[in-house]
Amino acid sequence: AQSVSQHNHHVILSEAASLELGCNYSYGGTVNLFWYVQYPGQHLQLLLKYFSGDPLVKGIKGFEAEFIKSKFSFNLRKPSVQWSDTAEYFCAVDSASKIIFGSGTRLSIRP
Amino acid sequence: GAVVSQHPSRVICKSGTSVKIECRSLDFQATTMFWYRQFPKQSLMLMATSNEGSKATYEQGVEKDKFLINHASLTLSTLTVTSAHPEDSSFYICSASRQGSGSTEAFFGQGTRLTVV
Repeated sequence: AQSVSQHNHHVILSEAASLELGCNYSYGGTVNLFWYVQYPGQHLQLLLKYFSGDPLVKGIKGFEAEFIKSKFSFNLRKPSVQWSDTAEYFCAVDSASKIIFGSGTRLSIRP
Repeated sequence: GAVVSQHPSRVICKSGTSVKIECRSLDFQATTMFWYRQFPKQSLMLMATSNEGSKATYEQGVEKDKFLINHASLTLSTLTVTSAHPEDSSFYICSASRQGSGSTEAFFGQGTRLTVV
């Protein structure tokens, strides 16, 4: 069965620290990959997406993600986090038949 | 962990008919539920925000008379696609928010693939 795994349920960082959130999926075919962010009390917003081409994808607010096909991974990174990055982050995989979300990673930033 | 159940997972209907999609939070009370749709090769698009006991807030461009949302209880929100047309064929997914101590978590339904023929 297709699945998406986000390794960390809750990550706590200090401002200016670097961030990497893991995402692994299990699906052998062609996929489209997404990272979404949900700020407290708000709906999902798209951070970035990968459909094809350069596996290093740059998104909004300084986020980037790298698709490593051999590892079935699509980790999200940011070199220096800010307090305003406090939110829940979701990795999602679209295999054309359905979209599957990871369980989410809550990111807390200490001022 | 919390579970959100969305039903049906797949539905095929004739043009002109209506389809109801249910989103249930199984083990928590969801004060807010969101409804999204996804077109092929695109990201999710927010359709509406549903708060229990009040009218849903629709995003610009989403027809409220066509996509009826009812959030009658803290565990159930429904989306009814009225007079469906082939262009309504899409993947619809709901999410429910649970308020914790100092945080809010979101949980997603499994999604509904709607095909209108």
